[in-house]
Amino acid sequence: SYVLTQPPSISVAPGKTATLACGGDNIGRRSVHWYQQKPGQAPLLVIYYDVKRPSGVPERFSGSNSGDTATLTITMVEAGDEADYYCQIWDGVHLIFGGGTRLTVL
Amino acid sequence: EVQLVESGGTLVPPGGSLSLSCAASGFTFWSQAMAWVRQVPGKGLEWVAGISGTNEDTFYADSVRGRFTVSRDNSRATLFLHLSGLTVEDTAIYYCARDHNHYFASGTPLDYWGQGALVTVSS
Repeated sequence: SYVLTQPPSISVAPGKTATLACGGDNIGRRSVHWYQQKPGQAPLLVIYYDVKRPSGVPERFSGSNSGDTATLTITMVEAGDEADYYCQIWDGVHLIFGGGTRLTVL
Repeated sequence: EVQLVESGGTLVPPGGSLSLSCAASGFTFWSQAMAWVRQVPGKGLEWVAGISGTNEDTFYADSVRGRFTVSRDNSRATLFLHLSGLTVEDTAIYYCARDHNHYFASGTPLDYWGQGALVTVSS
């Protein structure tokens, strides 16, 4: 079955840009959604259909998707952005999540 | 305001069964597909099941097909998950989530989530 690969962790200094990757075979041909999950909380949709941002999500969050990699970019990173981030697709039969990336703000 | 509130999480022995409920409010329940997603504490997200709006087509992860059953009562705005043949590997927080679309298998996102119900399978 289809596999989404995410790096387990990244660390970014406040004010810098975080780039979170989600790899999959020809993922650029699929719609990718991104979720943020803070400790003890339910996941929150932050990017959908590759690039769309739900109301209430800061403009600092953006997405892209091409080739074999989808990317969530967070500019001007803040301490409150520290969380686990999951990418997700539908492969035609299954709803699939990546393993998640833990973003640590230094 | 969209609200999803899960209930029914408990401790159950291996081989046992239980049912989870998810009470929905703040939106037209029958018009939205719904899903269950689980998470072993400290681990990643795993999709469990989905169900479409009025036609109630159902979809399951391979790991639970034949053991879990998703259903809904649109008159009560409630989503259900019946779990049977439970093993310790089914121990997880079970989240109810709203699909962005009417039909589940559409590649649409899960745009609202409940706070989850903890199911512990242990003897």
